[in-house]
Amino acid sequence: GAGVSQSPSNKVTEKGKDVELRCDPISGHTALYWYRQSLGQGLEFLIYFQGNSAPDKSGLPSDRFSAERTGGSVSTLTIQRTQQEDSAVYLCASSLARWVGSTDTQYFGPGTRLTVL
Amino acid sequence: QKEVEQNSGPLSVPEGAIASLNCTYSDRGSQSFFWYRQYSGKSPELIMSIYSNGDKEDGRFTAQLNKASQYVSLLIRDSQPSDSATYLCAGDQFGNEKLTFGTGTRLTIIP
Repeated sequence: GAGVSQSPSNKVTEKGKDVELRCDPISGHTALYWYRQSLGQGLEFLIYFQGNSAPDKSGLPSDRFSAERTGGSVSTLTIQRTQQEDSAVYLCASSLARWVGSTDTQYFGPGTRLTVL
Repeated sequence: QKEVEQNSGPLSVPEGAIASLNCTYSDRGSQSFFWYRQYSGKSPELIMSIYSNGDKEDGRFTAQLNKASQYVSLLIRDSQPSDSATYLCAGDQFGNEKLTFGTGTRLTIIP
């Protein structure tokens, strides 16, 4: 079946502009995650959605970052007033989350490469 | 702060040899562990998952978990140039599904 998809694949923006990044998880996956990966660095957790529960926003680096997930499927990560340090690859992942407390495999999308000039 | 630590490398291994990648974690409550492979410019893809102490084999890959010592390892037998990539170790956090990722080990297989 189809994997996790993300759009756009590349985004170049000017400092101070707002950007929206989109993630379509694998159909049937209830858990959705956003990560950020700077050049040569590991994965930095941003936010986690699980079903109808309140999202875990503990990884968001500032109040310029927000995310929503509509209808338990598609998610949008919004960065307001972008800064040069926001330049990174933003990765989305989804997992089945078959039961509370389980840790299923996370499947990653191809990412969105964000460049803030 | 719960951490997963890996040697960043680079680790160079001759083709055909065994590559050994190691990872330690600090959260004693972690139950599930994952090894992901990430080629340059690509997103991570799952290689192995392991949940129980001991070894788990899948083709040329063997994951090892020792919860008492809090380490996880990945062995790659008969290393191929196509195995050259960054390998990310991840462990879950007690009580939730979030994964903590290590910074990755860059592996280079030398033909």
